[in-house]
Amino acid sequence: AQSVTQLGSHVSVSEGALVLLRCNYSSSVPPYLFWYVQYPNQGLQLLLKYTSAATLVKGINGFEAEFKKSETSFHLTKPSAHMSDAAEYFCAVSEPGFQKLVFGTGTRLLVSP
Amino acid sequence: DAGVTQSPTHLIKTRGQQVTLRCSPKSGHDTVSWYQQALGQGPQFIFQYYEEEERQRGNFPDRFSGHQFPNYSSELNVNALLLGDSALYLCASSFTRQGNSGNTIYFGEGSWLTVV
Repeated sequence: AQSVTQLGSHVSVSEGALVLLRCNYSSSVPPYLFWYVQYPNQGLQLLLKYTSAATLVKGINGFEAEFKKSETSFHLTKPSAHMSDAAEYFCAVSEPGFQKLVFGTGTRLLVSP
Repeated sequence: DAGVTQSPTHLIKTRGQQVTLRCSPKSGHDTVSWYQQALGQGPQFIFQYYEEEERQRGNFPDRFSGHQFPNYSSELNVNALLLGDSALYLCASSFTRQGNSGNTIYFGEGSWLTVV
């Protein structure tokens, strides 16, 4: 079975500071990994995905994530936070070929001026 | 190009009633999945439809059922509603063909269901 653990239900940063959202996964097969963002009262928008190509994945809005197999991690980073980044972020894992996502519980990013 | 569209956006039902939620996938997509997102939680996979058949199912009771139509649109039906069924129901679409298992999964805006 696959699972995702997101450390920290809330992360607070100042505008311009580094954003680091943590995600660890468990999977019995080489996984596909995703980060989605959810703004209030909206659906999920894909930020980036890892599907066994380059381990450093660049996404939209300046976000990137690095797949580290040895650490079973897929942490999301952004060098400089913007007020518009305030949202809920979800890490998800899927087994190749099945297109079924298993989500973590989410991390709410708060950005202060 | 329209993305994933869902209807209705909000609805209120009474315990014991039945509800039908609808989803139109992104143009060109043939696979529809449904997720339940309770308040403060991550989405939970309900089931997935491809070629008008249920292909995968999550840990949800038989009260949750679905259908996919020839035009790839889909419905989620929930019978005998419980208070605990109150949640945001998300539809996701993707494209399944051999060798395309890494395709992006797109989500709709969701249908907010409140059971009173």
